[in-house]
Amino acid sequence: GENVEQHPSTLSVQEGDSAVIKCTYSDSASNYFPWYKQELGKRPQLIIDIRSNVGEKKDQRIAVTLNKTAKHFSLHITETQPEDSAVYFCAASRASSASKIIFGSGTRLSIRP
Amino acid sequence: DAGITQSPRHKVTETGTPVTLRCHQTENHRYMYWYRQDPGHGLRLIHYSYGVKDTDKGEVSDGYSVSRSKTEDFLLTLESATSSQTSVYFCATSDVDSEQYFGPGTRLTVT
Repeated sequence: GENVEQHPSTLSVQEGDSAVIKCTYSDSASNYFPWYKQELGKRPQLIIDIRSNVGEKKDQRIAVTLNKTAKHFSLHITETQPEDSAVYFCAASRASSASKIIFGSGTRLSIRP
Repeated sequence: DAGITQSPRHKVTETGTPVTLRCHQTENHRYMYWYRQDPGHGLRLIHYSYGVKDTDKGEVSDGYSVSRSKTEDFLLTLESATSSQTSVYFCATSDVDSEQYFGPGTRLTVT
């Protein structure tokens, strides 16, 4: 069945450094790749998404890259800040269908002061 | 938070009892989803709905059923709760080709 693998499961970086989280997906028909951030005790919230017709998208300190040939995509956070500490989930779906999304298992990002 | 509420927010129940969780949305979104979240497993889809009375199974649907009689409500039922169903349950909604919005979650403990 469809699967999304996410690495690493935990990541600790020094404040101000960059963080990179990587995901691979199995369904070659996937064309929508959102990233969600979940703070402790809160609900997941979308932070950025990318569709298969582009290779990169940026929003301030956050960027996502997509390699459809290799079926992998990555989240890049630059100049990390304490408020970036959270669990991050990648996901993949066929956006034109019933929008069923398959999530990765999550990465717990900790920012060291 | 996209007008999504879940009830109850916390529940403790005994093994073998039926449990129903409710998701209510005020956004008139077409799609609704139920996920469970467990450590090391991320968010796993239980069931989803693509319209009133139209539902389908997700990756972990065994032991769960759903109903959607109105656009705004999506019910998740555990017919006979088991300890393995102890989890945090999230409802989510989306419109056609848009992001998913999550509810606040329900923490269910089965003793």
